[in-house]
Amino acid sequence: KAGVTQTPRYLIKTRGQQVTLSCSPISGHRSVSWYQQTPGQGLQFLFEYFSETQRNKGNFPGRFSGRQFSNSRSEMNVSTLELGDSALYLCASSLEGGKLEKLFFGSGTQLSVL
Amino acid sequence: DQQVKQNSPSLSVQEGRISILNCDYTNSMFDYFLWYKKYPAEGPTFLISISSIKDKNEDGRFTVFLNKSAKHLSLHIVPSQPGDSAVYFCAGISGGSYIPTFGRGTSLIVHP
Repeated sequence: KAGVTQTPRYLIKTRGQQVTLSCSPISGHRSVSWYQQTPGQGLQFLFEYFSETQRNKGNFPGRFSGRQFSNSRSEMNVSTLELGDSALYLCASSLEGGKLEKLFFGSGTQLSVL
Repeated sequence: DQQVKQNSPSLSVQEGRISILNCDYTNSMFDYFLWYKKYPAEGPTFLISISSIKDKNEDGRFTVFLNKSAKHLSLHIVPSQPGDSAVYFCAGISGGSYIPTFGRGTSLIVHP
């Protein structure tokens, strides 16, 4: 079974631009979550999608948005990029997003904002 | 406000010895805890979990201890191996949620 796939692996953008990151979950998984990892803050929850609906949202500004398609693939968009958005963005999937379910993470997209 | 704190950013241990990674939490609503391990250039992978109704859970070389009164949990790795060198994240999940709140991680280095 293929794991969680995130594309692209690396991205370099400049301030003010926007970016779209993609995540393909494990086949059969319907819950997709996004996390931001920075050296000082660890893993911070962005949002979670289930059946094409945003089910949970973390404390990030509205510049961060996402969506999920009918095949459970998910995209995350960041508009008007700021230097502080430089981070590793991780996507994780699970069957239903249940409490006792393990999260399966992708390798992440490393975003650098110049 | 950090609900999950991993106060040691790094830990260095000799191969064969015990590694103890600590985690403190402030949210008394957490009733389920997890540890994830992350290698460079890879996503985190699930390691071990513990429910708040238990005080210990063991899986091979890995044991997690939970002290609810102190709001403290620890991960013991015995014996430590060089392949255990990674960043370890502790996370808590509260009763009404299923979204884990992660700590900032502890980087473990196991020297041969």
